[in-house]
Formats: sequence, structure tokens, C-alpha cells
Amino acid sequence: QVQLVESGGGVVQPGGSLTLSCAASGFIFSNYGMHWVRQAPGRGLEWVSFMRHDGSKKYDADSVKGRFTISRDNSKKTVYLQMNSLRPEDTAVYYCAKADGVATLEYWGQGILVTVSS
Amino acid sequence: QSVLTQPPSASGTPGQRVTISCSGSSSNIGSNTVNWYQQLPGTAPKLLIYTNDQRPSGVPARFSGSKSGTSASLAISGLQSEDEADFYCATWDDSLNALVFGGGTKLTVL
Repeated sequence: QVQLVESGGGVVQPGGSLTLSCAASGFIFSNYGMHWVRQAPGRGLEWVSFMRHDGSKKYDADSVKGRFTISRDNSKKTVYLQMNSLRPEDTAVYYCAKADGVATLEYWGQGILVTVSS
Repeated sequence: QSVLTQPPSASGTPGQRVTISCSGSSSNIGSNTVNWYQQLPGTAPKLLIYTNDQRPSGVPARFSGSKSGTSASLAISGLQSEDEADFYCATWDDSLNALVFGGGTKLTVL
């Protein structure tokens, strides 16, 4: 069965950095694109970033462009989200999700909390 | 302000039929297929409807989706108490080169 497990969350000061990881299993990781989506406390879902199966193309939300970088290591079946220049408004639960095609988020991880606070 | 517009809330009694709308534009719903996600309280979202009207394995037939022009709808028939959840529509936006979500609709079963 498909499993996605996020790690690397925690509390960080404004302006700081954090890297999230998402370890995948149960499917051929190198065949599928991967997304990051976040949800601020009490708010709706906000898409963050997407990377194609082979890393050849990626897309980012305007709210994180220039600050967040998605990457992947197909040999480790892991997708990453490098987050720099963090702001309080980046506080959220971050989910990784397996894509079917580009825009269908077929399976989701359980989420990991990132808190940006001094 | 979300690119896709959903009503913030919807409600119904057990056994009733409820619909949730999702309105967009030519660059998103008008050009691409729509997916729906269900988020039960305290859990991660789950794919509920894909490609406008397809149900993943395991999703009851009580859930159905449709799309017309720049709008989409999710219908839930035979409402059950365990259907209480937040529902989100989503699609790709060709102008933004981004995945866009609706603001979400909180469904209450009275």
C-alpha cells in the first residue's frame, strides 16, 4: 500500500530555515510527480510546490517563490522541501502528496507541523 | 481569496441530498478537470472524486461529481453522519501555472 511519511518539522524563528522530507513506499516513486500542500491552523488547503517524476520541471506557488525549493532523490524514494527565510505566515501543517498526472493528488501523507515563531 | 469559489458551509439531515458548488474561470476549471478532496476532522485530506466525476476505489457511490463550463459540483446523496467533513475542489490553472484549491466547504449533518 502507498505510504508517505513526512519528517523534519518543528519550531523555527522568523528568517530561519528548515528542510522537510517525505519518504515514499508502496509504489514506483520514480514514475510519479510529487506535491507539497500546506494548511495553516484553522484555514483551508494551500498548494505549495510540485516536481515532475524525473525532476525535469517544477512549479511553485507565488507565496513561496524564491524562498522554498522542492527537490527529490529517486534512489532514496524521497521528496524534500527546503524552506528559507521563513515567516510567521508559513506556520502550517505541511503535507506531501503523490500525483496522478500533474493535478490529481492521489495519496497524502499524514502531515507535519511547522511553526515559525520567536 | 481563493481562485476557486466554494460556499463556506453546507448542511443537511441524514438521508438528504446535498450539493457543493465550485466556481472558477476559463484558465482553470474551463480548461482542466476538477478533483474533490474530503478532509475528516483531524485527518489528512483524501481524494474523493477525480477527473470531474470518477470515484477512486472504496469511495461510496453516494458521492458524485460533475462539471459544466467553468463550474463544478459535488453531490452527496443519502447523507450520513460520518460525512461531516471539509470538502475542497481543486484543479490546475494554466495562467498561474499552479494548482489551485477552493476555500473549502464545511459540511454539517444536522
